[in-house]
Amino acid sequence: ETGVTQSPTHLIKTRGQQVTLRCSSQSGHNTVSWYQQALGQGPQFIFQYYREEENGRGNFPPRFSGLQFPNYSSELNVNALELDDSALYLCASSLDRGSRQETQYFGPGTRLLVL
Amino acid sequence: GNSVTQMEGPVTLSEEAFLTINCTYTATGYPSLFWYVQYPGEGLQLLLKATKADDKGSNKGFEATYRKETTSFHLEKGSVQVSDSAVYFCVLLSGGYQKVTFGIGTKLQVIP
Repeated sequence: ETGVTQSPTHLIKTRGQQVTLRCSSQSGHNTVSWYQQALGQGPQFIFQYYREEENGRGNFPPRFSGLQFPNYSSELNVNALELDDSALYLCASSLDRGSRQETQYFGPGTRLLVL
Repeated sequence: GNSVTQMEGPVTLSEEAFLTINCTYTATGYPSLFWYVQYPGEGLQLLLKATKADDKGSNKGFEATYRKETTSFHLEKGSVQVSDSAVYFCVLLSGGYQKVTFGIGTKLQVIP
């Protein structure tokens, strides 16, 4: 059983650029959630994808968008990057059985620096 | 909305000392509660969990009991080791789409 993987591990962009981060979910999981963790803070929920549809969203602007693919892997896209977008971006996968809330397993994260 | 209040660190303890990290929450319904740990330079790892009131989660000598009456999920360990130095997050899972709410994180430093 493989764990959650994310790529790239580190990324440097400049203000106004666009970035795509990738996540491969743990084998057997059908749900992917994305989080932003600023330095010294707890992770903040961005959004969740279940069966290729956005299933919930936190307090993030529309320039944060995502995709989930048929194999349950996922992408996070951020347009018009701002300096405050510099953070560790975490992906977590879980198995949604409908009525049961399952544990989320986290990837190692992608550290994004916006200059 | 849901929230998690966690004691702020850093917490510095000597090896073999007793550890308590306080965590309280507010939530609608019947949330599940977790402690995650983030070791230096590593990703978040699940430490323990409890899915209903009075459940006790335990792992690696750490314990936490889900107390619905006090809306708390305090983390304890009887004897900490240097290798326990990390940031600990109290986490609540609730809501129709598995919304996860993190506490601010408590940095633990254990000195020999």
